[in-house]
Amino acid sequence: KNQVEQSPQSLIILEGKNCTLQCNYTVSPFSNLRWYKQDTGRGPVSLTIMTFSENTKSNGRYTATLDADTKQSSLHITASQLSDSASYICVVRAAGNKLTFGGGTRVLVKP
Amino acid sequence: ETGVTQTPRHLVMGMTNKKSLKCEQHLGHNAMYWYKQSAKKPLELMFVYSLEERVENNSVPSRFSPECPNSSHLFLHLHTLQPEDSALYLCASSQEQQSRYEQYFGPGTRLTVT
Repeated sequence: KNQVEQSPQSLIILEGKNCTLQCNYTVSPFSNLRWYKQDTGRGPVSLTIMTFSENTKSNGRYTATLDADTKQSSLHITASQLSDSASYICVVRAAGNKLTFGGGTRVLVKP
Repeated sequence: ETGVTQTPRHLVMGMTNKKSLKCEQHLGHNAMYWYKQSAKKPLELMFVYSLEERVENNSVPSRFSPECPNSSHLFLHLHTLQPEDSALYLCASSQEQQSRYEQYFGPGTRLTVT
């Protein structure tokens, strides 16, 4: 069964600090992995997409990594800002278009 | 804003009511999706439309009835819902229904069934 597990479920950090979110998946055969940011009351917005051959991809202060061998991905937030407070969702697509969503990590950045 | 709009943003309905959720995309996309997002649960894909044809129905109860009159509009008709149907309903669109195309989400409709 295809599954995507995210950890931690929630995270509180101080403004300016870094944090790392984890995503482990069992989706097979793998096509790609996306990280989405979902602000409260809004729909998810894509941050990065990674394919099998990509190990690292950055989007501003967000850096995603992918280890296709261990089926793990991480999202690193550098120098967090109050606007980073949101839910971060890992989504893995299998070959054949089937999407499996993680439960998300809720991040709260405090001043 | 992402170019995908949803109305209404909030809806409270009784179990005997009939209502409809509306989604409109201004991106020229050919695929549209309905998702359900319940508290503390992953997003659940409900329906997929590609070129106005329904291509996927993920075991959704018949009290949810989708309609795609054209490539820009998607509706979700609701009738005789249950309290456990209370959730955020998200619409999304993508250029094509293929893995390399990003899905763009609307802001969602927060539905409460009383």
